[in-house]
Formats: sequence, C-alpha cells, structure tokens
Amino acid sequence: EVQLVESGGGLVQPGGSLRLSCAASGFTFSNFWMSWVRQAPGKGLEWVANIKQDGSRQYYVDSVKGRFTISRDNTGNSLYLQMNSLRAEDTAVYYCARVVGKKIDPGQDDSGWWDWLDPWGQGTLVTVSS
Amino acid sequence: DIQLTQSPSFLSASVGDRVTITCRASQGINNNLAWYQQKPGKAPKVLIYIASTLQSGVPSRFSGSGSGTEFTLTISSLQPEDFATYYCQQLNSYPYTFGQGTKLEIK
Repeated sequence: EVQLVESGGGLVQPGGSLRLSCAASGFTFSNFWMSWVRQAPGKGLEWVANIKQDGSRQYYVDSVKGRFTISRDNTGNSLYLQMNSLRAEDTAVYYCARVVGKKIDPGQDDSGWWDWLDPWGQGTLVTVSS
Repeated sequence: DIQLTQSPSFLSASVGDRVTITCRASQGINNNLAWYQQKPGKAPKVLIYIASTLQSGVPSRFSGSGSGTEFTLTISSLQPEDFATYYCQQLNSYPYTFGQGTKLEIK
C-alpha cells in the first residue's frame, strides 16, 4: 500500500524554526517528484514546494521563498520541509503528496508532463504563535 | 501566476441531484488540471486528472471535462458520501495553484 506519513508539526514562536518529515512507503520513492501543500485553518489548499526525484531541482511558492527548504533522502525514503523565520500566516496543516505524472508525448525526450498529486499524507499541524 | 476561479463557492443539493462545478483558468493550462475531494479533517484525494481521466477506484458518477481555460467537474447523481469540498488544481506551470474550493452541502 502506498503510504505517506508526516511528522514534526507543533507549536512554535514567530521567527522560530521547525522541520517537517514525511515517511514514504509502498512505492519506489526515488522515482517520483514530491510536493508539500498546506491548508490554513478553515481555508483552502495552497501548494508550497516541489522537489525533483534526485533533489536537483526545487520550486517554491513566493510566500516561502528564502525561508523554507524542501529536501529528500532517497536512501531513507523521506521528504523534509525545513521552515525558518516562521510567521503567524504559516499556521496550517502541512501535507506531503506524491507527484504522479504521464508524459504528454512519449516519443519526445523533452516532452512535458501531465501531473497530479496522489496520494496525500494525513497532514501535520504547524501553529505559529507567541 | 495562473489564477483558478471556481464557481460556485457553495452549493446546496439533494441526494440524486446532478451537480456541476466550474473551474476557470486565467490562461491556458494544456489540460494539466486535477480535481480533488476533501472531507472534514481528512486529506484531499484525487478524483480526476488530465482534466477528464477518472482516477482508479473513483465512482463513475464523477466526470471531468473541458479544455483551454474552462473545466467542469460533474457528479451525475449525488450520493450521501459526496457531500464534501472540491478543489481544482493546475499543474501546468509553477507555482501550482488551486481554486478556492466548492463546498457541497446537503439541502
């Protein structure tokens, strides 16, 4: 069974740091891009970051650039999100998700991909408050 | 950034009804659109990807359509377990973005 389990959430003061982890099982972790998505209390979903299979490329939403770092350990089948300089507006449930893709044109090496997120972990709550 | 506008934001319907949710993108997204269902206190789960492909295990009463900048999620005959919040997401370019969500409630 494909499974993602987040951990590391908790209460932290503004300006503090926290490291989230996501343990992956049931699939070949090193074959997939991975994502972090967050959801503030009572609000909608916000994509946070993506990381390539080998960790060589990362992408972030503007609001976390320079403060958050996504990383992975393919040997240990784990995804991480290092969060520094935390703000009240970072308070949210953080989900990790696997990026599943299908090549748009299998005959082209440089073809783009259609992607979707599946599955998602159960989430871990981060609360930034004094 | 690509903006996704979902409508309606709230929908009240009855068991057996047919409902449609619309997601409009601010620019073309090459059908790189997914729909998710989220129930209270649970993680989202994918229903539809590549705009119209039904995820394995999802009931056939769910369907997706559209192209270019306008997409729809249709539930052909609402079941009690379908009352939830639905989100569209574009994965064509960074930053990936979500619609604001449609909360489907029992009438």
